[in-house]
Amino acid sequence: KQEVTQIPAALSVPEGENLVLNCSFTDSAIYNLQWFRQDPGKGLTSLLLIQSSQREQTSGRLNASLDKSSGRSTLYIAASQPGDSATYLCAVRQETSGSRLTFGEGTQLTVNP
Amino acid sequence: DGGITQSPKYLFRKEGQNVTLSCEQNLNHDAMYWYRQDPGQGLRLIYYSQIVNDFQKGDIAEGYSVSREKKESFPLTVTSAQKNPTAFYLCASSIYGTGLYEQYFGPGTRLTVT
Repeated sequence: KQEVTQIPAALSVPEGENLVLNCSFTDSAIYNLQWFRQDPGKGLTSLLLIQSSQREQTSGRLNASLDKSSGRSTLYIAASQPGDSATYLCAVRQETSGSRLTFGEGTQLTVNP
Repeated sequence: DGGITQSPKYLFRKEGQNVTLSCEQNLNHDAMYWYRQDPGQGLRLIYYSQIVNDFQKGDIAEGYSVSREKKESFPLTVTSAQKNPTAFYLCASSIYGTGLYEQYFGPGTRLTVT
């Protein structure tokens, strides 16, 4: 059974710092990996989706990398801002699970002004 | 505006009552999903449907029921058999068939049962 782990569970940084969020998964037979952002009491917003054949995806100040063979993904946030404060979740889609996603528990990020 | 709507935003019920949460999408997506989120935890899949008139149990289906009579709608009923129904419920949708299957989420419904 696929398990997804995100470390750290919480992170507090000063504004302007570059930071990395980690996601690991136990079964490397994935189709893709998706990073989401969740603000308190809100739904999820998709940030980046990486196909299993890709190494990285970029959107603005965000860069997500994927090392499928080692079961790891990172989300890099450059020049963090207070508006980046949120919970970040990663989710993987298995090759054999159709369209289902398995989620990690998230990293709660606080960017201090 | 294309998107997913969930109603109501907050829902309060007495223990022993069934309650139905609404989810509607106008993205023309084939697949729809229901997740449950408890404080400090990730999302757990309750039910999903990849096509009209068909749905499958997720990881925590006990105490829940769904229907998929229309492509746009995927209501979730929380029955009195669900032992701990108080949670944040999220609906999502995606294309199904070929492609990335990127999931898009609604704003959620917070259910409180007392």
